[in-house]
Amino acid sequence: GENVEQHPSTLSVQEGDSAVIKCTYSDSASNYFPWYKQELGKGPQLIIDIRSNVGEKKDQRIAVTLNKTAKHFSLHITETQPEDSAVYFCAASRGGTGGFKTIFGAGTRLFVKA
Amino acid sequence: NAGVTQTPKFQVLKTGQSMTLQCAQDMNHNSMYWYRQDPGMGLRLIYYSASEGTTDKGEVPNGYNVSRLNKREFSLRLESAAPSQTSVYFCASRDRGPYPYEQYFGPGTRLTVT
Repeated sequence: GENVEQHPSTLSVQEGDSAVIKCTYSDSASNYFPWYKQELGKGPQLIIDIRSNVGEKKDQRIAVTLNKTAKHFSLHITETQPEDSAVYFCAASRGGTGGFKTIFGAGTRLFVKA
Repeated sequence: NAGVTQTPKFQVLKTGQSMTLQCAQDMNHNSMYWYRQDPGMGLRLIYYSASEGTTDKGEVPNGYNVSRLNKREFSLRLESAAPSQTSVYFCASRDRGPYPYEQYFGPGTRLTVT
């Protein structure tokens, strides 16, 4: 079946450094790739997303890149801050209709040390 | 505007007991989803409802049933709980239509089956 692999499972960085999380997907029909941030005791919340017709998207300190040929996409966080500490999930989706489904990666726990 | 709400927040069941997890959204979304989250496994789809009156199985439906009561509410039922169903359960909703395909998550229900 379809799956999404996410690496690393844990990432520790110093405040101000950059953090990169990488994902690969298997379903070539996937056309939407969201990234979610989950803080302790809360539900996941969307932080950035990218569609399959776009190679890169940036929103302030966060950027996502997509390589459709290689079926991988990455999250880049620059100038990390302690409040960036959380679990991050990548996901791959077939979009556009009511039958829309999302496959999630296993998550990356990011620690930002002050 | 509360978004997606879930009840209860915590529950402990004995093996064989039944219970229903409740979910409601006030965003007039068409699609609703139930996920379970286990350590190291990300979020896995249990059931989803593309629109009022329809439900479909996800990746891990065994041992669960769902009801789309109306457009706002989508409940998940465990008829005979098993220890393997110990997990954190998230409900999500999404509007049908053009980009973005963001899913909005509730705060979760932490279920322990002893």
